[in-house]
Amino acid sequence: NAGVTQTPKFQVLKTGQSMTLQCAQDMNHNSMYWYRQDPGMGLRLIYYSASEGTTDKGEVPNGYNVSRLNKREFSLRLESAAPSQTSVYFCASSEVPTLAGGEDTQYFGPGTRLTVL
Amino acid sequence: AQSVTQPDIHITVSEGASLELRCNYSYGATPYLFWYVQSPGQGLQLLLKYFSGDTLVQGIKGFEAEFKRSQSSFNLRKPSVHWSDAAEYFCAVGAWSGGYQKVTFGIGTKLQVIP
Repeated sequence: NAGVTQTPKFQVLKTGQSMTLQCAQDMNHNSMYWYRQDPGMGLRLIYYSASEGTTDKGEVPNGYNVSRLNKREFSLRLESAAPSQTSVYFCASSEVPTLAGGEDTQYFGPGTRLTVL
Repeated sequence: AQSVTQPDIHITVSEGASLELRCNYSYGATPYLFWYVQSPGQGLQLLLKYFSGDTLVQGIKGFEAEFKRSQSSFNLRKPSVHWSDAAEYFCAVGAWSGGYQKVTFGIGTKLQVIP
């Protein structure tokens, strides 16, 4: 049981280049999330997918797109990378209870460290 | 909207000493509360969580946290710190909104352990 996996672990891009960060989970979770982590700012939600086939914007969605490919996979795409997108990106997943408002816990992947020059 | 405050950005303790990391939250109803730990270059690992019931919750690695509604706090404690506890610790509050549980993280407290 690998949990949440992310590829690549490290990436360096030049301004204007595009790339896709991949995330997969093997816990049969319904919801998946993309966060970015910047020093002194904690984690901020970029996009989330409450269930297969749905995606919604989080706190900082500008410059990003996402695809929920299937229940297991949730990718994050940078169409035209900018230096402000230099960050550590984390994917997370959660089961989501049968009844809304119940217990739910997010589990995180190891992260992708992205540098945009 | 919920928010989390971790007032200590950096804490240094001696190995074997006790530890308390502070966390204050703001939320109108009963929150869901979490503590995560992040070792250098690693992802976030769940230490413990509070949803309801006993306000003193036990977690992994010998950590515990106490939910105090009157103080809007969820402080993390460990009676005796080990060198391997050096890491960054994040407090988080979760609240249901629009069909999913929005989790808001604090900015983290970096723990240094000295011999």
